[in-house]
Amino acid sequence: LAKTTQPISMDSYEGQEVNITCSHNNIATNDYITWYQQFPSQGPRFIIQGYKTKVTNEVASLFIPADRKSSTLSLPRVSLSDTAVYYCLVGVPLGGSARQLTFGSGTQLTVLP
Amino acid sequence: NAGVTQTPKFQVLKTGQSMTLQCAQDMNHNSMYWYRQDPGMGLRLIYYSASEGTTDKGEVPNGYNVSRLNKREFSLRLESAAPSQTSVYFCASSPTSGGSQETQYFGPGTRLLVL
Repeated sequence: LAKTTQPISMDSYEGQEVNITCSHNNIATNDYITWYQQFPSQGPRFIIQGYKTKVTNEVASLFIPADRKSSTLSLPRVSLSDTAVYYCLVGVPLGGSARQLTFGSGTQLTVLP
Repeated sequence: NAGVTQTPKFQVLKTGQSMTLQCAQDMNHNSMYWYRQDPGMGLRLIYYSASEGTTDKGEVPNGYNVSRLNKREFSLRLESAAPSQTSVYFCASSPTSGGSQETQYFGPGTRLLVL
């Protein structure tokens, strides 16, 4: 089963833009890419989702190249409260029409004052 | 709306004991999921249920059983707990039934320690 790959950790300073990339070489053809945020002792929380090109909402942007083998979560002007673990979630094919949802291993983002 | 609730929040078991983790959602969602989260491993899917009455294995189903009791509830059972099952368990639900757009809503988790 193909894995998704993310950097283990990243540091940033308040007010900076942060970009976190997830590699998913074997993404299922029709599946979307979803990013989640997780704080300690809580369940993951949905941030943003996209299929191709660029998606933007009130908290983040998601960039997806044409081949869809990677995606980049962009957090504009981070604050201390953005310190969390960020996960990408994609579907990978199992054969036929079956696919399995697979989380990346997560990226610990630490925002410094 | 409470969203997704899980009980218990924390549990200690001895090797060989059995227990059931409970999960309920009040959002009228079709799909429900059970994940385990180990340090440095991210979340791994144990079982999922795309609709009431159906369940399917995920990435790491061995040692677990599930029951989709009704549309609201999805339980996870450990018949004979092992130390390797020490983990944090998350339940999630999503409105769709396995479609290409999956937005999942997670519960607060159950921390399980098997001695």
